[in-house]
Amino acid sequence: DQQVKQNSPSLSVQEGRISILNCDYTNSMFDYFLWYKKYPAEGPTFLISISSIKDKNEDGRFTVFLNKSAKHLSLHIVPSQPGDSAVYFCAASSVYGNNRLAFGKGNQVVVIP
Amino acid sequence: DTGVSQNPRHKITKRGQNVTFRCDPISEHNRLYWYRQTLGQGPEFLTYFQNEAQLEKSRLLSDRFSAERPKGSFSTLEIQRTEQGDSAMYLCASSQRDRGQLYGYTFGSGTRLTVV
Repeated sequence: DQQVKQNSPSLSVQEGRISILNCDYTNSMFDYFLWYKKYPAEGPTFLISISSIKDKNEDGRFTVFLNKSAKHLSLHIVPSQPGDSAVYFCAASSVYGNNRLAFGKGNQVVVIP
Repeated sequence: DTGVSQNPRHKITKRGQNVTFRCDPISEHNRLYWYRQTLGQGPEFLTYFQNEAQLEKSRLLSDRFSAERPKGSFSTLEIQRTEQGDSAMYLCASSQRDRGQLYGYTFGSGTRLTVV
């Protein structure tokens, strides 16, 4: 069963605008959430994370929001740049699960110059 | 040492052959994970080591798969009698957990396996 879900498989956005990626999870034991960016033929690159004790974490152009009651998180990228074009994965982990990551299927983001 | 290193980057093998992949984690990380990613999917957990102890194995890890982490440093993942369904990207990650905080969950570049 898919414990982490990313809908809207692809997103196109104009350079300079905001990209918003959404992620839903089903396991209430998840206590740590991460976003990764992936280029073809490379491993995932860590972007930003958030602990379940917070509802927002910001790092430069990237902000992650967590709504625990809705079991929903989102990644905002602003302003979007052409180099942001990649597949973005949402992942979740639990200290009770040895911190193995459960991933969504990913969102393809294309930033149009 | 600035990241997780995986070798080889690519491996093409004939069905029925055995293959072995290597992962060198970030040196101060005590946790090491193997994942597998197929086209259109996110990475899926295979197995987890804390230091040299293999503490968890996914049911995805059939009897043909074995992983080791001797001395708690590098790790190897071996697939025996490969099948076409084993074709995937095999990813290694390492992390450190300290006082309840998870640090530096970092992935390597992966090994792309093609079974023909």
